[in-house]
Amino acid sequence: EADIYQTPRYLVIGTGKKITLECSQTMGHDKMYWYQQDPGMELHLIHYSYGVNSTEKGDLSSESTVSRIRTEHFPLTLESARPSHTSQYLCASSELAGGPAGPADTQYFGPGTRLTVL
Amino acid sequence: QKEVEQDPGPLSVPEGAIVSLNCTYSNSAFQYFMWYRQYSRKGPELLMYTYSSGNKEDGRFTAQVDKSSKYISLFIRDSQPSDSATYLCAMSRGTGRRALTFGSGTRLQVQP
Repeated sequence: EADIYQTPRYLVIGTGKKITLECSQTMGHDKMYWYQQDPGMELHLIHYSYGVNSTEKGDLSSESTVSRIRTEHFPLTLESARPSHTSQYLCASSELAGGPAGPADTQYFGPGTRLTVL
Repeated sequence: QKEVEQDPGPLSVPEGAIVSLNCTYSNSAFQYFMWYRQYSRKGPELLMYTYSSGNKEDGRFTAQVDKSSKYISLFIRDSQPSDSATYLCAMSRGTGRRALTFGSGTRLQVQP
């Protein structure tokens, strides 16, 4: 079972607030990802990291920012939340090499943070 | 055109039916083929994976890959209401940056 955690699970916040969504994994994975997913819709990659001090933007343009100061931690920050940011945010991690559970780049997901901006 | 195409559904079947879920892809470099299951309001979880062409069976689930047709399938036998979820296919080149590409997911509903 994947050990990847996200907090908070649910967040309702007013417009203009700064928020940070936390993601931590205890598997020692080098790669970490943030996805945005609206209900019933597909996953959109918004950020990814291949290791400490490495971050890149994904396919979907996002006003959020990320940091990777420690291997296990990949927080996402919104400086000024807006209603258009309302969505589910999923964090995932993967390892460079494959293992018994799956080949290289098998991604393991956290439970997600459901964000509502009023 | 997307690299991976998947019918979004929803697909509604009665309990006990055999379910067939499919994806097509355009990139012949994909080597690993995965199926994820996502329950409502949860993160996706890896269900099965296969390498290259062929079949792989795990209990009621069978994954099938036809690289010549660029077509993969997931079969669920004796479907149960607990199988109701969104199923996402994913494909990996096995190497390189951003090697994993997801399909958009098919929503399955198994009616009791």
